[in-house]
Amino acid sequence: EAQVTQNPRYLITVTGKKLTVTCSQNMNHEYMSWYRQDPGLGLRQIYYSMNVEVTDKGDVPEGYKVSRKEKRNFPLILESPSPNQTSLYFCASSLSGARNEQYFGPGTRLTVT
Amino acid sequence: AQKVTQAQTEISVVEKEDVTLDCVYETRDTTYYLFWYKQPPSGELVFLIRRNSFDEQNEISGRYSWNFQKSTSSFNFTITASQVVDSAVYFCALSGGYQKVTFGIGTKLQVIP
Repeated sequence: EAQVTQNPRYLITVTGKKLTVTCSQNMNHEYMSWYRQDPGLGLRQIYYSMNVEVTDKGDVPEGYKVSRKEKRNFPLILESPSPNQTSLYFCASSLSGARNEQYFGPGTRLTVT
Repeated sequence: AQKVTQAQTEISVVEKEDVTLDCVYETRDTTYYLFWYKQPPSGELVFLIRRNSFDEQNEISGRYSWNFQKSTSSFNFTITASQVVDSAVYFCALSGGYQKVTFGIGTKLQVIP
């Protein structure tokens, strides 16, 4: 089954404790992206990747890091989480760039206390 | 910078009524892509439609139709004879030449039985 998976689905952590949210797709897609969803703000793009070792900032990259060492994986790293990073996070992938429709993971609800 | 405006934050309709969700966009790119996604109460994000800037033909898919007008920078979505299962948050999105994707804040549609 073609899918995008994210782990964990729910995470409660404390300020400053490094964490990684994993994202994996099995569709051989080139483009992958991370979004955060906040009430009243919609979805905002954090980082995206056009292919292996090619990443770029979205609209809200501060406080986040990403890497793309393999085509299927695109982890999101919060090196020192803060309460304003409490949000619902979605990973997405598309075949060959932002011009194609994106397939989304189920979301990760992160709470930073 | 590109921008997507969904001015209607919440809409309520009675079942079987028609409803139109508005989307207005801004971009300097001559080639761009517009999307609609649906987020039902279960939380997943589902792709509905994609349009490129060179194709202004309207599209109909069952009870759903989309009206793309470059002259007014709008890409509106109409649901005919709404049903309770249409209750969801609907997002309009735009991608241009830099591979970024910009979403609107979403319109929450409630269909009342």
